[in-house]
Amino acid sequence: NAGVTQTPKFQVLKTGQSMTLQCAQDMNHNSMYWYRQDPGMGLRLIYYSASEGTTDKGEVPNGYNVSRLNKREFSLRLESAAPSQTSVYFCASRSGTVLSNYGYTFGSGTRLTVV
Amino acid sequence: GNSVTQMEGPVTLSEEAFLTINCTYTATGYPSLFWYVQYPGEGLQLLLKATKADDKGSNKGFEATYRKETTSFHLEKGSVQVSDSAVYFCALSDNSGGSNYKLTFGKGTLLTVNP
Repeated sequence: NAGVTQTPKFQVLKTGQSMTLQCAQDMNHNSMYWYRQDPGMGLRLIYYSASEGTTDKGEVPNGYNVSRLNKREFSLRLESAAPSQTSVYFCASRSGTVLSNYGYTFGSGTRLTVV
Repeated sequence: GNSVTQMEGPVTLSEEAFLTINCTYTATGYPSLFWYVQYPGEGLQLLLKATKADDKGSNKGFEATYRKETTSFHLEKGSVQVSDSAVYFCALSDNSGGSNYKLTFGKGTLLTVNP
């Protein structure tokens, strides 16, 4: 099925460890996004990529880096994990067509716990 | 900046009750408005959308009307079912050229429907 695939689904890290969250989409979308979801906070934008080769900071970029490896893949890296980064992370991609009203498709999320 | 304020939860209803979840927004320009639904353990799914003033979005018995004069996009359903139990997010997409159509989310409202 077409969509956005995130790996892993669950991860536990120790404080100070690093890891990369992977995201891939097969819908030929130009734009991709990383959000984090915390209780009572809704979803907040971490980084986004308007097109292959470009990335920009969102609302809460500190402690994260991203790579837009190609049109399909957009990864999120935590260089030195902190307990404050315990969250559920969602990747999304966006259609660039007017007909679809620039609709977003979300992945199923990565639940990350930092101890 | 853009912001979305939605009704604080949780909301608990009996099956077949009427549902309203309030959502108001602040935005420059002419945003598109969305309701997303998140079922337990899953990612976000688009429930309905509206792209201009007075548009009504509808899906699965849910409706919301884009009211520019009151900057609101309230979600309604005439008769809820147990299967509607989920978290509902109101969101807006800034459609100005430099924004890359980023989504701004409300904090979410947890709905529980009891049989």
